Amino acid sequence: DVKVTQSSRYLVKRTGEKVFLECVQDMDHENMFWYRQDPGLGLRLIYFSYDVKMKEKGDIPEGYSVSREKKERFSLILESASTNQTSMYLCASTRREQPQHFGDGTRLSIL
Amino acid sequence: AQKVTQAQTEISVVEKEDVTLDCVYETRDTTYYLFWYKQPPSGELVFLIRRNSFDEQNEISGRYSWNFQKSTSSFNFTITASQVVDSAVYFCALSGTMEYGNKLVFGAGTILRVKS
Repeated sequence: DVKVTQSSRYLVKRTGEKVFLECVQDMDHENMFWYRQDPGLGLRLIYFSYDVKMKEKGDIPEGYSVSREKKERFSLILESASTNQTSMYLCASTRREQPQHFGDGTRLSIL
Repeated sequence: AQKVTQAQTEISVVEKEDVTLDCVYETRDTTYYLFWYKQPPSGELVFLIRRNSFDEQNEISGRYSWNFQKSTSSFNFTITASQVVDSAVYFCALSGTMEYGNKLVFGAGTILRVKS
């Protein structure tokens, strides 16, 4: 079974802090994704990566950056956290032409 | 642009009732893929089904069935004889390509509450 692991289930940070959300997958998948989930809006793609050191902007990249130094790890970075970034963040990974596998999500609160 | 609409925000049913979750999509691609995911209270999204645009056959898997109709751009999901364990948020999603593991466009989700 594919395992996508997000480092924290719940995280509380303060406005202006630099925040790192980590995601690790154990199936040697090329592709990894970061989404945020908000009530009434579904999941929206922030960034994705199709190879090590490669990244592409999704639909809502503003205020975020990503890092993929190793194939199994994809990090989402909030450079200077703001309250409107309070949300549920979901990581996913997949091999080409396969459905995405999701992690359990990180519920991030910015105070 | 691609868009997925799940008009039902929340549905409540009593156990053993049948329930249909609606999904309407918009795309200009001739080749595309449709998905359903389930998100139980624990939070992880669980893949249920994928359909490509050339396969309009309905699919049944146990108590779950899916009705894909290109003529109405709909991909509806029916749960027969619902159970409390079916309570979850259900998302319909669309992808224009399976390259790069497909970029998904999600609907807003439908909260299903099944009461005993």
